[in-house]
Amino acid sequence: QQQVKQSPQSLIVQKGGISIINCAYENTAFDYFPWYQQFPGKGPALLIAIRPDVSEKKEGRFTISFNKSAKQFSLHIMDSQPGDSATYFCAASYSNYQLIWGAGTKLIIKP
Amino acid sequence: NAGVMQNPRHLVRRRGQEARLRCSPMKGHSHVYWYRQLPEEGLKFMVYLQKENIIDESGMPKERFSAEFPKEGPSILRIQQVVRGDSAAYFCASSLAPRNEQFFGPGTRLTVL
Repeated sequence: QQQVKQSPQSLIVQKGGISIINCAYENTAFDYFPWYQQFPGKGPALLIAIRPDVSEKKEGRFTISFNKSAKQFSLHIMDSQPGDSATYFCAASYSNYQLIWGAGTKLIIKP
Repeated sequence: NAGVMQNPRHLVRRRGQEARLRCSPMKGHSHVYWYRQLPEEGLKFMVYLQKENIIDESGMPKERFSAEFPKEGPSILRIQQVVRGDSAAYFCASSLAPRNEQFFGPGTRLTVL
């Protein structure tokens, strides 16, 4: 019940394309869903986050779509750029600490 | 305007030795969290501390691991009698308040020989 399942494990997208990463959860008590971006050798950095009272949140080229009934949320990166190549993690929490993390998606944007 | 600082960045220990990892939170942050990341995996919560208090250590192994966040100075994660399975990246995060965004440090990569 505490798991967050993330897919795909790796993703290759052409420059300018849309990158889509999906996550699913079981615990309906979760009320905070952040996405983190991590570059090799660095710590994770918060990209965008959503709470379950909204179905979509957009910040620049990054959009979170949230489906409460399906217990799924996804990250969309529009107009993907080589600089977006990184590992992306979804996470979930019901207290905004003790984040429960997905396993990560290694994203490669081909020029 | 420094972010979360961790040191050392890389630490090599032989089996049976002690590892001490330090974390200085962002200025003004009094909430610290430690996570462990194994290769190709997501982070796993270990412990949440406020100044001088352990709030939640449910993710920390019962033996050999301890954490503190003293009134003065950095937070310390201590691993006694390290084993090869302790090899991982250890990340510290800090926040202004419990339900606020967590800012992560660059991590300490521990290798146990």
